[in-house]
Amino acid sequence: GDSVTQMEGPVTLSEEAFLTINCTYTATGYPSLFWYVQYPGEGLQLLLKATKADDKGSNKGFEATYRKETTSFHLEKGSVQVSDSAVYFCALSEGAAGNKLTFGGGTRVLVKP
Amino acid sequence: GAGVSQTPSNKVTEKGKYVELRCDPISGHTALYWYRQSLGQGPEFLIYFQGTGAADDSGLPNDRFFAVRPEGSVSTLKIQRTERGDSAVYLCASSSRGTDNEQFFGPGTRLTVL
Repeated sequence: GDSVTQMEGPVTLSEEAFLTINCTYTATGYPSLFWYVQYPGEGLQLLLKATKADDKGSNKGFEATYRKETTSFHLEKGSVQVSDSAVYFCALSEGAAGNKLTFGGGTRVLVKP
Repeated sequence: GAGVSQTPSNKVTEKGKYVELRCDPISGHTALYWYRQSLGQGPEFLIYFQGTGAADDSGLPNDRFFAVRPEGSVSTLKIQRTERGDSAVYLCASSSRGTDNEQFFGPGTRLTVL
């Protein structure tokens, strides 16, 4: 079945540092890929998505590129802020299956001033 | 506008009891999903409704779990004979059509089974 693997946290960074969170997936078809973020005390929010190979999703300075050849969707941000401290989840869905999401285990990111 | 709401926000129950968790989706959203998130893990899919019918219930762990959406809006997740292993945050999400549309998540219900 489908699965998503992402790097374990916590990841601790200083403000303005470069952030990368690795995500790889296994899927039977051609899934859509997502990054969700969960800020402290808040619900899950969609951060960005990509629906086909070589697509780049971007939002709030974050980017991720759908790499079919390496089955990866790594999240990057060039200069993090304290407000980026959160738990980040990589996920996939196969549209024919009603868009249910398969999530990775989450990566906690802590940005220190 | 109003987002997805879930009640109660917290539920503490004893082993063996019956619980109901409620989800109010965004108005007009036809697709509704339930997920379960155990501590330190990502959410796991339980069940998906398109309108009133359960289009995919493959994630329900066993027959103690059941969900309904009788009028195509509010949904209730029902757990019978609760076990300590059922303790988790239960998340509800809705989307406008289902396929390839963004899912909007509620804040979750934290269930604790003593």
